[in-house]
Amino acid sequence: RKEVEQDPGPFNVPEGATVAFNCTYSNSASQSFFWYRQDCRKEPKLLMSVYSSGNEDGRFTAQLNRASQYISLLIRDSKLSDSATYLCVVNDYNNDMRFGAGTRLTVKP
Amino acid sequence: DADVTQTPRNRITKTGKRIMLECSQTKGHDRMYWYRQDPGLGLRLIYYSFDVKDINKGEISDGYSVSRQAQAKFSLSLESAIPNQTALYFCATRDRGSGSIAGELFFGEGSRLTVL
Repeated sequence: RKEVEQDPGPFNVPEGATVAFNCTYSNSASQSFFWYRQDCRKEPKLLMSVYSSGNEDGRFTAQLNRASQYISLLIRDSKLSDSATYLCVVNDYNNDMRFGAGTRLTVKP
Repeated sequence: DADVTQTPRNRITKTGKRIMLECSQTKGHDRMYWYRQDPGLGLRLIYYSFDVKDINKGEISDGYSVSRQAQAKFSLSLESAIPNQTALYFCATRDRGSGSIAGELFFGEGSRLTVL
């Protein structure tokens, strides 16, 4: 079983749609959780950290469920510019960062 | 100028050749990482270093070696390249974070390596 698993997609949605991605992790001792965004042929960049209480940044909402060991990302009112691959990242107990394979999103006019 | 710089950006080489990918950073971070990215597999950790004299293997270190020449420099070597090492390689840095919360990873622009 992979340490961090994501639905690879692709998710193809119209502008304005709401889309949700899930990610599961295997190590219950994991400490920190993140969503990174990666545009085609570019480096990943931090989108948002995921806190235990859940957190929101504009149209983006991240949730953490430690009991079930999953993380979610919700994007409301999708924009064309949201098209990218979204990477779930978990900071492991020995302090290295493990990545999911990514979920690809395409937002269409 | 980029905070994390990788060289070369693109390289085509032949099986059996020695290749070095270099990474330098101006962010002043202690922690540096090398990842490779393959389609469908995401980023996988090759090696990481928390300080100049600290080197740690990641999940896929076989066939690779690293050198942390200075706080700002971390190089990745393929002693004898093979075709399944064809991939996109990323260097990254991060600071220590706060408490149990890890700091943000900052990536270089990537080095695309093709081994024929």
